[in-house]
Amino acid sequence: ILNVEQSPQSLHVQEGDSTNFTCSFPSSNFYALHWYRWETAKSPEALFVMTLNGDEKKKGRISATLNTKEGYSYLYIKGSQPEDSATYLCAFKETSGSRLTFGEGTQLTVNP
Amino acid sequence: EAQVTQNPRYLITVTGKKLTVTCSQNMNHEYMSWYRQDPGLGLRQIYYSMNVEVTDKGDVPEGYKVSRKEKRNFPLILESPSPNQTSLYFCASILLGTGGRYEQYFGPGTRLTVT
Repeated sequence: ILNVEQSPQSLHVQEGDSTNFTCSFPSSNFYALHWYRWETAKSPEALFVMTLNGDEKKKGRISATLNTKEGYSYLYIKGSQPEDSATYLCAFKETSGSRLTFGEGTQLTVNP
Repeated sequence: EAQVTQNPRYLITVTGKKLTVTCSQNMNHEYMSWYRQDPGLGLRQIYYSMNVEVTDKGDVPEGYKVSRKEKRNFPLILESPSPNQTSLYFCASILLGTGGRYEQYFGPGTRLTVT
């Protein structure tokens, strides 16, 4: 079983703070790294799919970077808002098949 | 509109009573997958399918069966449900495109309780 780890497990920040969290994954057989945003009572929403070492993706105030050689990705949120409160999941895909291995997520709470 | 649908959305059943959770996608994707989500364990893959009649085990396949007789449907079957299968289940449909394009679309989830 592949090891995909996210840290921290949970995070509480104040509105307006910028924050970031980490996803680490195996550095061999890399194919893609996904980030999802998952609000309570909803299904996960895809944020980014990253495939190349050095990739940087941005969507509004949220951005992500990828280092496939050392096996980590960072997700950044600039100027957090209460509506950013959610669990952020990363998922690793290796080169064989369509199997996707998820981390346990980082639960972000943004206090007004 | 691109969609993955699951039915039922909520189900309470008793141990040993066979049940099927349906999953359907309208995007003509070849790849589909089933996950379960449990507190503290994240999303774990149960089974996946790379095409019609092509399925394979994920990380936690025990106690589950799947079938893929047609591209749009990928039902999850619990022949004899047990309380440890109480969970939130997600179906996903996956696009594999050119240039490494890979997108996964999730269904709304099925909350199953086995008593």
